[in-house]
Amino acid sequence: DAGVIQSPRHEVTEMGQEVTLRCKPISGHNSLFWYRQTMMRGLELLIYFNNNVPIDDSGMPEDRFSAKMPNASFSTLKIQPSEPRDSAVYFCASSVGGTNTEAFFGQGTRLTVV
Amino acid sequence: AQSVTQLGSHVSVSEGALVLLRCNYSSSVPPYLFWYVQYPNQGLQLLLKYTSAATLVKGINGFEAEFKKSETSFHLTKPSAHMSDAAEYFCAVSERGSQGNLIFGKGTKLSVKP
Repeated sequence: DAGVIQSPRHEVTEMGQEVTLRCKPISGHNSLFWYRQTMMRGLELLIYFNNNVPIDDSGMPEDRFSAKMPNASFSTLKIQPSEPRDSAVYFCASSVGGTNTEAFFGQGTRLTVV
Repeated sequence: AQSVTQLGSHVSVSEGALVLLRCNYSSSVPPYLFWYVQYPNQGLQLLLKYTSAATLVKGINGFEAEFKKSETSFHLTKPSAHMSDAAEYFCAVSERGSQGNLIFGKGTKLSVKP
């Protein structure tokens, strides 16, 4: 298996533009997570899905952020409009689901908003 | 709410020396615990996990961790550091009964001196 695949790896955009990050989880995994990593705040859970249904989006910072999972093999995280403080590395992770199962992480998308 | 505290944002050891990275959790019920490693510009990779089977857990690359309920700790150790161990290490907790979403500590960056 290729693992969790994220695209793009790097994104540079201007403030106010819409940004869409993409994730393909590992086949057969039922849970999908979006994390944000910054120097100041470390790794923060933004939202997670179970069987394509959003379970907890309390970590989504603002209404500018939205996430979808239209099917078991694809998820998006969208920021509209983007702001410089959104600059971070965004990770997608997937797991088979359940409390004691480990999450497998993608390589991340490094977002820079100028 | 669950939380994880990693003491020391930066640890430096000499090659061949003992590695000790500290992690304490806060939970009234022993959670599931994980250690992940992140190499530069990479995603997170699982080192080991505790799921209440054995209190001493062995992971990849010679790392191990011991769960101590009385101390609410899950410290990561390796008897002899290698240069290749230089990376950032994250302790994470997953609450029993949850969907498997992980709460991460702030991370500890390990440097290994020749």
